[in-house]
Amino acid sequence: RKEVEQDPGPFNVPEGATVAFNCTYSNSASQSFFWYRQDCRKEPKLLMSVYSSGNEDGRFTAQLNRASQYISLLIRDSKLSDSATYLCVVPENTGNQFYFGTGTSLTVIP
Amino acid sequence: SAVISQKPSRDICQRGTSLTIQCQVDSQVTMMFWYRQQPGQSLTLIATANQGSEATYESGFVIDKFPISRPNLTFSTLTVSNMSPEDSSIYLCSALDWDQSIYFGEGSWLTVV
Repeated sequence: RKEVEQDPGPFNVPEGATVAFNCTYSNSASQSFFWYRQDCRKEPKLLMSVYSSGNEDGRFTAQLNRASQYISLLIRDSKLSDSATYLCVVPENTGNQFYFGTGTSLTVIP
Repeated sequence: SAVISQKPSRDICQRGTSLTIQCQVDSQVTMMFWYRQQPGQSLTLIATANQGSEATYESGFVIDKFPISRPNLTFSTLTVSNMSPEDSSIYLCSALDWDQSIYFGEGSWLTVV
């Protein structure tokens, strides 16, 4: 089983829609989780950090389900500018290794 | 977060040659990493750049092919040696942030012809 798994999509949603991505992880001892956004031909950039049950920042909400070992990213009121690839990242417990999901592609359509 | 500068930002190289990518962080960081991302793929860790000692390479990556230097806490280089078209990729320098997340330089786009 891979350390981190994501649905690659693509997700194509209309403007204003709500969309959610899931990411499953294999290490039950993981303590921190991150969502990154990567635009085409750009580097990944940190979107949200999750340390406990969840985190919210404007239209974006990340939730952690430890029992089922997944984290989700919810985007409300989607904007065209939200179109990107969203990467789920889980650090190894030592913090010396980061496991990246393959990314979920989102396209918001006018 | 600190700012990471990478150069070159892109290059087109002849097969068989070598290219050195430089990574400069504007503050001291404990951990620096080099990743590779091939088109349509996720990130693959090449190695952890250790200050003052040899880098720690991941499976499938060797020092002869990807020599790395890290002379201090703000600077590192990655060399891609004896390049082949399969080495065409984006190479990303990254550093560990205070909250245990990582942040990236803008990447170096390498095309080998």
